[in-house]
Amino acid sequence: QSALTQPASVSGAPGQSITISCSGTSSDVGGYNFVSWYQQHPGKAPKLLIYDVRNRPSGVSNRFSGSKSGNTAYLTISGLQAEDEAHYYCSSYTVTNTRIFGGGTELTVL
Amino acid sequence: QVQLVQSGAEVKKPGASVKLSCKASGYTFTAYYMHWVRQAPGQGLEWMGIINPIGGDTTYAQEFQGRITMTSDTSAATVYMELTSLTSEDRAVYYCARGYYDFVYWGQGTTVTVSS
Repeated sequence: QSALTQPASVSGAPGQSITISCSGTSSDVGGYNFVSWYQQHPGKAPKLLIYDVRNRPSGVSNRFSGSKSGNTAYLTISGLQAEDEAHYYCSSYTVTNTRIFGGGTELTVL
Repeated sequence: QVQLVQSGAEVKKPGASVKLSCKASGYTFTAYYMHWVRQAPGQGLEWMGIINPIGGDTTYAQEFQGRITMTSDTSAATVYMELTSLTSEDRAVYYCARGYYDFVYWGQGTTVTVSS
């Protein structure tokens, strides 16, 4: 199964907002509200930012928000900070009871 | 606090097998599923499979069917992942991660190098 489709890179200035898309199919993103988002800094393990499309775990800044429309999910980061510079990955549950990741998006804070 | 501590780095020859471990603490081991995820150098995350620590029910990604085995030792609160017939394409950091639909807690990762 091919990875979910994310833009390879996005960028924004400090204080601005950016949105990262994650496109799948009706067999994964579109079929279930089990989309999650992860932040990964170089050399570190990923960190859960959003689960079940739009829920934030305790301790995650409210600058991170998630949404979904049809077969595409979105991660929005508002009030960009230098520390947000990282790779971001989406993931979804699938119809075959497997999980699938997006290819990842590199965020550059200008 | 939840901790997932993985075994140390491995160096294997092509064609060999590797068995990695992930020891859990800070929660009821049998109450949560565990995933294995890998990341090749400079690449994205790749889901490998999931295990229910009770009973050992597994679901594997199709890409690894036939050469991956996940097991659980409830007495040691540890899950294992064995990958056989290694090639250079298996060179990666391997993570265990607790969760079911998502990956809430992650281990520190184990680097596997495949080299002749």
